[in-house]
Amino acid sequence: GNSVTQMEGPVTLSEEAFLTINCTYTATGYPSLFWYVQYPGEGLQLLLKATKADDKGSNKGFEATYRKETTSFHLEKGSVQVSDSAVYFCALSKRGTALIFGKGTTLSVSS
Amino acid sequence: DSGVTQTPKHLITATGQRVTLRCSPRSGDLSVYWYQQSLDQGLQFLIQYYNGEERAKGNILERFSAQQFPDLHSELNLSSLELGDSALYFCASTPGTADSPLHFGNGTRLTVT
Repeated sequence: GNSVTQMEGPVTLSEEAFLTINCTYTATGYPSLFWYVQYPGEGLQLLLKATKADDKGSNKGFEATYRKETTSFHLEKGSVQVSDSAVYFCALSKRGTALIFGKGTTLSVSS
Repeated sequence: DSGVTQTPKHLITATGQRVTLRCSPRSGDLSVYWYQQSLDQGLQFLIQYYNGEERAKGNILERFSAQQFPDLHSELNLSSLELGDSALYFCASTPGTADSPLHFGNGTRLTVT
């Protein structure tokens, strides 16, 4: 079946450090890929998405590229801020089906 | 603010009891999803409704049921509660068009004692 695997956290970084959170997926065909972010006490918010191979999603300095050859959608940010501390979820969906989420990666950024 | 409203925010109840969680989707959204978030299982899809009709089922237990009403709000009913049902329950809504993103509510935290 379809599934998403994310690197386990927590990820602890200093402010202005480079961030990578790895995400790989298993799916037949061509799913859409997403990153969602969950701040403490809140629901998930869409961070970025890509709907086809080689697409790059970007938002708020975060980027992820849909790599079909490696079935990956790694999240990157060049310089993290304390306010980026949150839980990040990688997810996929096939057309018309519910999102399937990874287990989430907790990011903690200190000043 | 996502525009999705979930009530109550917190619920504490005993094993064997029954509870109802409520979700009001964003204005104009026809589709509602329910997810369960627990530490060990992560985010699990439970069920989806579209314009009042059940559209898809995920890992929803037989003790759980849901419905979407004509005004598009949705309720998730959990019965014969067990300790393991303690979790955050999220509702998300979407217009229902292909690849439209989900908008999540802030969740209901259920504690079963």
